[in-house]
Amino acid sequence: DIQMTQSPSSVSASVGDRVTITCRASQGINSWLAWYQQKPGKAPKLLIYAASSLQSGVPSRFSGSGSGTDFTLAISSLQPEDFATYYCQQANSFPLTFGGGTKVEIK
Amino acid sequence: QVQLVESGGGLVKPGGSLRLSCAASGFTFSDYYMSWVRQAPGKGLEWVSYISSSSDYTNYADSVKGRFTISRDNAKTSLYLQMNSLRAEDTAVYYCARAKSGTRCIDYWGQGTLVTVSS
Repeated sequence: DIQMTQSPSSVSASVGDRVTITCRASQGINSWLAWYQQKPGKAPKLLIYAASSLQSGVPSRFSGSGSGTDFTLAISSLQPEDFATYYCQQANSFPLTFGGGTKVEIK
Repeated sequence: QVQLVESGGGLVKPGGSLRLSCAASGFTFSDYYMSWVRQAPGKGLEWVSYISSSSDYTNYADSVKGRFTISRDNAKTSLYLQMNSLRAEDTAVYYCARAKSGTRCIDYWGQGTLVTVSS
């Protein structure tokens, strides 16, 4: 199975800050990586697919990069509605696996 | 708009069975692969199962293989998860999810249904 390791597990940031979250796969997954945002009590929401493609309707302050084993989600200017938990997911092969999550908290 | 509505969750004893259903609307259900993903209380996301658009391919997480069965009825635009031999560690919110075309990522999620396995 492909293990997905996210870091950090949590980050404290202020509105307007740039935030980056990394995700490392235990083996190469080409660009088959997705990023999701989840708020408490809600279902996850797709932000980025194929490592760097922005899902329709997602603000352009979100961006994704990387290929192979190392990936990054960046939020260019954190907004109040961005405080949430973020997950990466490899979509290269079964079993599909998620990272452990990164909680973005208000500083 | 795309809607996925799960039902069938509840409290069940260890060793018991439960069948989850997901009613899909707002898109051509028969064109899309579908998945179930679960989330234990306070924990992260865990993929459970996947089914092709025509039901000719299914896949399962090792943790549920042999106990859970995914199925679909395209005429009823519904997805199902039959869960047998339930264990305490199966306690979670179960999400019905649509796979984005051409990928194995998920572009739409239901609101989730809670399954609690406890004596």
